[in-house]
Amino acid sequence: GENVEQHPSTLSVQEGDSAVIKCTYSDSASNYFPWYKQELGKGPQLIIDIRSNVGEKKDQRIAVTLNKTAKHFSLHITETQPEDSAVYFCAASTDSWGKLQFGAGTQVVVTP
Amino acid sequence: DAGVIQSPRHEVTEMGQEVTLRCKPISGHDYLFWYRQTMMRGLELLIYFNNNVPIDDSGMPEDRFSAKMPNASFSTLKIQPSEPRDSAVYFCASSFGQLGYGYTFGSGTRLTVV
Repeated sequence: GENVEQHPSTLSVQEGDSAVIKCTYSDSASNYFPWYKQELGKGPQLIIDIRSNVGEKKDQRIAVTLNKTAKHFSLHITETQPEDSAVYFCAASTDSWGKLQFGAGTQVVVTP
Repeated sequence: DAGVIQSPRHEVTEMGQEVTLRCKPISGHDYLFWYRQTMMRGLELLIYFNNNVPIDDSGMPEDRFSAKMPNASFSTLKIQPSEPRDSAVYFCASSFGQLGYGYTFGSGTRLTVV
Protein backbone atom coordinates (compact mmCIF):
# COMPACT_ATOMS: atom_id res chain seq x y z
CA GLY A 1 0.00 0.00 0.00
CA GLU A 2 0.85 3.68 -0.06
CA ASN A 3 3.23 5.19 2.50
CA VAL A 4 3.36 8.96 3.02
CA GLU A 5 6.14 10.65 4.96
CA GLN A 6 5.82 14.26 6.10
CA HIS A 7 8.45 16.73 7.31
CA PRO A 8 9.00 18.59 9.50
CA SER A 9 6.91 17.44 12.44
CA THR A 10 6.94 20.94 13.92
CA LEU A 11 7.52 24.31 12.29
CA SER A 12 7.78 27.66 14.01
CA VAL A 13 7.68 30.79 11.85
CA GLN A 14 7.48 34.51 12.44
CA GLU A 15 4.33 36.21 11.28
CA GLY A 16 4.75 37.37 7.71
CA ASP A 17 7.35 34.73 6.83
CA SER A 18 6.73 31.71 4.60
CA ALA A 19 6.21 28.13 5.71
CA VAL A 20 6.97 25.03 3.66
CA ILE A 21 5.92 21.47 4.45
CA LYS A 22 7.17 18.55 2.40
CA CYS A 23 5.75 15.09 1.80
CA THR A 24 7.01 12.05 -0.07
CA TYR A 25 4.95 9.09 -1.23
CA SER A 26 5.86 5.57 -2.25
CA ASP A 27 3.21 4.46 -4.76
CA SER A 28 3.94 5.81 -8.23
CA ALA A 29 0.28 5.18 -9.12
CA SER A 30 -0.89 7.84 -6.64
CA ASN A 31 -2.59 10.66 -8.51
CA TYR A 32 -4.44 12.75 -5.94
CA PHE A 33 -2.74 14.79 -3.22
CA PRO A 34 -4.85 16.82 -0.77
CA TRP A 35 -3.76 18.92 2.16
CA TYR A 36 -5.78 19.25 5.35
CA LYS A 37 -5.62 21.78 8.18
CA GLN A 38 -6.67 20.73 11.66
CA GLU A 39 -7.32 23.33 14.32
CA LEU A 40 -7.49 22.44 17.98
CA GLY A 41 -10.63 20.51 18.85
CA LYS A 42 -11.79 20.25 15.25
CA GLY A 43 -11.66 17.75 12.45
CA PRO A 44 -9.24 18.11 9.53
CA GLN A 45 -10.44 20.49 6.84
CA LEU A 46 -9.46 20.29 3.18
CA ILE A 47 -7.56 23.44 2.20
CA ILE A 48 -6.12 22.60 -1.21
CA ASP A 49 -5.57 19.59 -3.43
CA ILE A 50 -3.69 18.73 -6.60
CA ARG A 51 -3.98 16.00 -9.16
CA SER A 52 -1.11 14.34 -10.97
CA ASN A 53 -1.70 16.11 -14.27
CA VAL A 54 -0.90 19.44 -12.63
CA GLY A 55 2.50 20.58 -11.31
CA GLU A 56 1.40 23.51 -9.20
CA LYS A 57 -1.79 24.99 -7.82
CA LYS A 58 -2.30 28.22 -5.93
CA ASP A 59 -5.12 29.61 -3.82
CA GLN A 60 -4.42 33.03 -2.34
CA ARG A 61 -1.61 32.56 0.21
CA ILE A 62 -1.33 28.80 -0.13
CA ALA A 63 0.18 26.80 -2.95
CA VAL A 64 0.99 23.17 -3.57
CA THR A 65 3.68 21.81 -5.89
CA LEU A 66 4.03 18.26 -7.15
CA ASN A 67 7.09 16.47 -8.52
CA LYS A 68 5.91 13.10 -9.82
CA THR A 69 9.36 11.99 -10.88
CA ALA A 70 10.72 12.45 -7.37
CA LYS A 71 7.42 11.43 -5.76
CA HIS A 72 7.18 14.41 -3.52
CA PHE A 73 4.80 17.32 -3.03
CA SER A 74 4.92 20.41 -0.89
CA LEU A 75 2.63 22.97 0.74
CA HIS A 76 3.72 26.60 0.72
CA ILE A 77 2.10 29.23 2.92
CA THR A 78 3.18 32.81 2.27
CA GLU A 79 2.73 35.86 4.50
CA THR A 80 1.84 33.66 7.46
CA GLN A 81 -0.67 34.92 10.01
CA PRO A 82 -1.46 33.73 13.56
CA GLU A 83 -4.62 32.03 12.28
CA ASP A 84 -2.43 29.76 10.16
CA SER A 85 -1.30 28.07 13.38
CA ALA A 86 -2.62 24.50 13.19
CA VAL A 87 -1.64 20.95 12.32
CA TYR A 88 -1.32 20.31 8.60
CA PHE A 89 -1.65 16.88 7.01
CA CYS A 90 -0.72 15.78 3.54
CA ALA A 91 -2.32 12.72 1.96
CA ALA A 92 -2.19 10.64 -1.20
CA SER A 93 -4.43 8.20 -3.01
CA THR A 94 -4.91 6.46 -6.34
CA ASP A 95 -8.06 6.14 -8.40
CA SER A 96 -7.96 2.37 -8.10
CA TRP A 97 -6.77 2.05 -4.52
CA GLY A 98 -8.81 5.03 -3.50
CA LYS A 99 -8.27 5.35 0.22
CA LEU A 100 -6.44 8.40 1.48
CA GLN A 101 -3.15 7.66 3.20
CA PHE A 102 -2.25 10.50 5.54
CA GLY A 103 1.13 11.80 6.59
CA ALA A 104 1.94 12.14 10.30
CA GLY A 105 1.18 15.86 10.39
CA THR A 106 3.10 19.11 10.91
CA GLN A 107 2.40 21.40 13.85
CA VAL A 108 2.78 24.95 12.54
CA VAL A 109 3.13 27.76 15.05
CA VAL A 110 3.07 31.35 13.81
CA THR A 111 4.48 33.78 16.34
CA PRO A 112 3.56 37.48 16.19
CA ASP B 1 -25.67 21.89 5.00
CA ALA B 2 -24.64 21.37 8.62
CA GLY B 3 -21.68 19.24 7.64
CA VAL B 4 -20.80 15.86 9.09
CA ILE B 5 -22.33 15.56 12.53
CA GLN B 6 -20.85 13.34 15.20
CA SER B 7 -22.11 12.55 18.67
CA PRO B 8 -21.22 12.60 21.42
CA ARG B 9 -18.34 15.14 21.34
CA HIS B 10 -16.82 13.62 24.46
CA GLU B 11 -17.27 10.21 26.02
CA VAL B 12 -15.73 8.95 29.23
CA THR B 13 -16.39 5.34 30.08
CA GLU B 14 -15.06 2.60 32.28
CA MET B 15 -13.04 -0.28 30.93
CA GLY B 16 -15.30 -3.13 29.87
CA GLN B 17 -18.27 -0.96 29.01
CA GLU B 18 -19.85 -0.74 25.57
CA VAL B 19 -19.35 2.50 23.66
CA THR B 20 -21.33 3.65 20.63
CA LEU B 21 -20.24 6.56 18.48
CA ARG B 22 -22.63 8.10 15.99
CA CYS B 23 -22.26 9.88 12.67
CA LYS B 24 -24.58 11.66 10.27
CA PRO B 25 -22.89 12.24 6.91
CA ILE B 26 -23.56 15.09 4.53
CA SER B 27 -26.75 14.49 2.61
CA GLY B 28 -26.02 13.08 -0.84
CA HIS B 29 -22.55 11.81 0.01
CA ASP B 30 -22.10 8.17 -0.93
CA TYR B 31 -18.87 7.36 0.94
CA LEU B 32 -18.49 7.29 4.72
CA PHE B 33 -15.25 6.74 6.61
CA TRP B 34 -14.35 6.13 10.23
CA TYR B 35 -10.90 7.27 11.37
CA ARG B 36 -9.09 7.09 14.68
CA GLN B 37 -6.51 9.70 15.66
CA THR B 38 -3.84 9.24 18.31
CA MET B 39 -0.53 10.94 18.96
CA MET B 40 1.36 7.71 18.37
CA ARG B 41 -0.35 6.47 15.21
CA GLY B 42 -1.78 9.62 13.65
CA LEU B 43 -4.90 9.27 11.49
CA GLU B 44 -5.83 5.64 10.89
CA LEU B 45 -8.65 4.54 8.60
CA LEU B 46 -10.75 1.96 10.42
CA ILE B 47 -13.49 1.21 7.89
CA TYR B 48 -15.32 2.76 5.00
CA PHE B 49 -18.72 2.35 3.38
CA ASN B 50 -19.96 3.00 -0.13
CA ASN B 51 -23.72 3.37 -0.54
CA ASN B 52 -24.18 1.98 2.98
CA VAL B 53 -22.19 -1.18 2.23
CA PRO B 54 -18.94 -1.85 4.14
CA ILE B 55 -16.15 -2.03 1.58
CA ASP B 56 -12.94 -2.29 3.57
CA ASP B 57 -12.70 -3.00 7.28
CA SER B 58 -9.06 -4.03 7.28
CA GLY B 59 -8.21 -1.16 9.61
CA MET B 60 -10.55 -2.28 12.38
CA PRO B 61 -8.15 -3.20 15.17
CA GLU B 62 -9.95 -6.26 16.48
CA ASP B 63 -13.27 -7.98 16.93
CA ARG B 64 -14.21 -5.62 19.73
CA PHE B 65 -14.84 -2.98 17.07
CA SER B 66 -17.85 -3.05 14.78
CA ALA B 67 -19.47 -0.51 12.46
CA LYS B 68 -22.83 -0.30 10.78
CA MET B 69 -24.56 1.95 8.31
CA PRO B 70 -28.26 1.07 8.32
CA ASN B 71 -29.15 3.92 5.96
CA ALA B 72 -27.58 6.75 3.99
CA SER B 73 -27.88 9.24 6.84
CA PHE B 74 -26.57 7.34 9.83
CA SER B 75 -23.62 5.23 10.90
CA THR B 76 -22.37 3.85 14.20
CA LEU B 77 -19.03 2.64 15.48
CA LYS B 78 -19.29 0.36 18.48
CA ILE B 79 -16.57 -0.83 20.83
CA GLN B 80 -17.42 -3.72 23.12
CA PRO B 81 -15.82 -4.20 25.55
CA SER B 82 -13.83 -0.98 25.67
CA GLU B 83 -10.21 -0.88 26.87
CA PRO B 84 -7.97 2.03 27.94
CA ARG B 85 -5.91 1.67 24.73
CA ASP B 86 -9.03 2.58 22.74
CA SER B 87 -8.78 6.13 24.08
CA ALA B 88 -8.48 8.39 21.04
CA VAL B 89 -10.37 10.88 18.92
CA TYR B 90 -12.66 9.14 16.46
CA PHE B 91 -13.58 10.98 13.28
CA CYS B 92 -16.27 10.30 10.76
CA ALA B 93 -15.87 11.70 7.24
CA SER B 94 -18.00 11.58 4.12
CA SER B 95 -17.46 12.29 0.44
CA PHE B 96 -19.29 12.21 -2.86
CA GLY B 97 -18.26 10.50 -6.03
CA GLN B 98 -14.82 9.15 -6.68
CA LEU B 99 -13.25 7.59 -3.65
CA GLY B 100 -10.64 9.71 -1.97
CA TYR B 101 -11.72 13.11 -3.27
CA GLY B 102 -13.17 15.89 -1.19
CA TYR B 103 -13.46 14.33 2.23
CA THR B 104 -15.41 16.34 4.80
CA PHE B 105 -14.62 15.44 8.39
CA GLY B 106 -16.84 15.78 11.41
CA SER B 107 -15.63 17.40 14.61
CA GLY B 108 -14.82 14.07 16.19
CA THR B 109 -15.62 12.18 19.38
CA ARG B 110 -12.96 12.24 22.08
CA LEU B 111 -13.15 8.87 23.82
CA THR B 112 -11.51 8.27 27.18
CA VAL B 113 -11.62 4.78 28.66
CA VAL B 114 -10.59 4.66 32.31
